[in-house]
Amino acid sequence: EPEVTQTPSHQVTQMGQEVILRCVPISNHLYFYWYRQILGQKVEFLVSFYNNEISEKSEIFDDQFSVERPDGSNFTLKIRSTKLEDSAMYFCASSLDPYNEQFFGPGTRLTVL
Amino acid sequence: AQRVTQPEKLLSVFKGAPVELKCNYSYSGSPELFWYVQYSRQRLQLLLRHISRESIKGFTADLNKGETSFHLKKPFAQEEDSAMYYCALRFQGGSEKLVFGKGTKLTVNP
Repeated sequence: EPEVTQTPSHQVTQMGQEVILRCVPISNHLYFYWYRQILGQKVEFLVSFYNNEISEKSEIFDDQFSVERPDGSNFTLKIRSTKLEDSAMYFCASSLDPYNEQFFGPGTRLTVL
Repeated sequence: AQRVTQPEKLLSVFKGAPVELKCNYSYSGSPELFWYVQYSRQRLQLLLRHISRESIKGFTADLNKGETSFHLKKPFAQEEDSAMYYCALRFQGGSEKLVFGKGTKLTVNP
């Protein structure tokens, strides 16, 4: 069964550094999402992406964040200058259409020191 | 503001006992409600959604608009049901984002 994959599984970085989190959505899916979960807190929506454009973003998704689909398979989340409070589990998800099930990846744990 | 509340952080039952995981929501429109489950070291996966009105792994959930609730129930819990359970809401029409509750960790003891 096709699955969403994410790399790396764990990323450790220094405050102020740039990180890129990578996701490979399910191949025939057209809608892509990033969520994050700070330890002990809720899973929170960051951004949705369709047809090479951001379709919706939350207030968390400020100018430090960007998303890209650089080729036909990858979907990336970039954090330009990481802060301590960016430490969280980041989940990628994809769906066939916006009304269908969102399939989640296993997550990337980002630790900012 | 749209909010999903799962009042129990932890829930522990014995195998064979009934289980109910509570979920309440606040949203002025017509929401779409989901239950996601995360087994140990696995990814979040959809357990069920209210519009499909089906039973998955013996679990059911009914949307009660009067009480703004979507509680998850199973009459006889199994040890393999031990997991984190997240209730989530999606606004109907326009927004694709899921709004999650904080989750309930269910432990089914032998």
